[in-house]
Amino acid sequence: DAGVIQSPRHEVTEMGQEVTLRCKPISGHNSLFWYRQTMMRGLELLIYFNNNVPIDDSGMPEDRFSAKMPNASFSTLKIQPSEPRDSAVYFCASSHRDRRGSQPQHFGDGTRLSIL
Amino acid sequence: TQLLEQSPQFLSIQEGENLTVYCNSSSVFSSLQWYRQEPGEGPVLLVTVVTGGEVKKLKRLTFQFGDARKDSSLHITAAQPGDTGLYLCAGPNTNAGKSTFGDGTTLTVKP
Repeated sequence: DAGVIQSPRHEVTEMGQEVTLRCKPISGHNSLFWYRQTMMRGLELLIYFNNNVPIDDSGMPEDRFSAKMPNASFSTLKIQPSEPRDSAVYFCASSHRDRRGSQPQHFGDGTRLSIL
Repeated sequence: TQLLEQSPQFLSIQEGENLTVYCNSSSVFSSLQWYRQEPGEGPVLLVTVVTGGEVKKLKRLTFQFGDARKDSSLHITAAQPGDTGLYLCAGPNTNAGKSTFGDGTTLTVKP
């Protein structure tokens, strides 16, 4: 079975450039999560969607960050303009949620982002 | 706010030793998950514990959920270098659809 697929795996770009990270969740999962991981702050939840609708974006650092989920099989996280402090590993995860609750999340392999 | 505290933060041991890492909270969780993350990869789900007092075994790994469902432990017997990684515990937030993650225990097993 295909897991959560993220692209690109690595991104190096200059400060001020727009960065777009992509995620394909596991088929049949209806919840999607974007996380950022750094040594200093660990794993931070940025935003999550349920049935393609953003439910909680309280973890999004500032207006430079935006996320979309146009359909059940695709999501993007965009940073514009990017700054060096945005350098981190960004993970996408998906799970299935029903009236009984949420199933465990399954993670992609992440995008390692470096902003110079 | 439901928080999960993991200890120790770092652990370095020799191959063959036993170890236990902990995940504690003041809140009750309906379930807890344990993940292992290896360098350059995403966290991979190891196990979910659901019932208070539950013990689950995965080869040399033994997971226990506290009777009150506020804490969990992971015990590794005869650790091997392949066990090296970041161990994360996580629990679903009540009615929120998202999960709380601990800060993890970084385990290094030296050959």
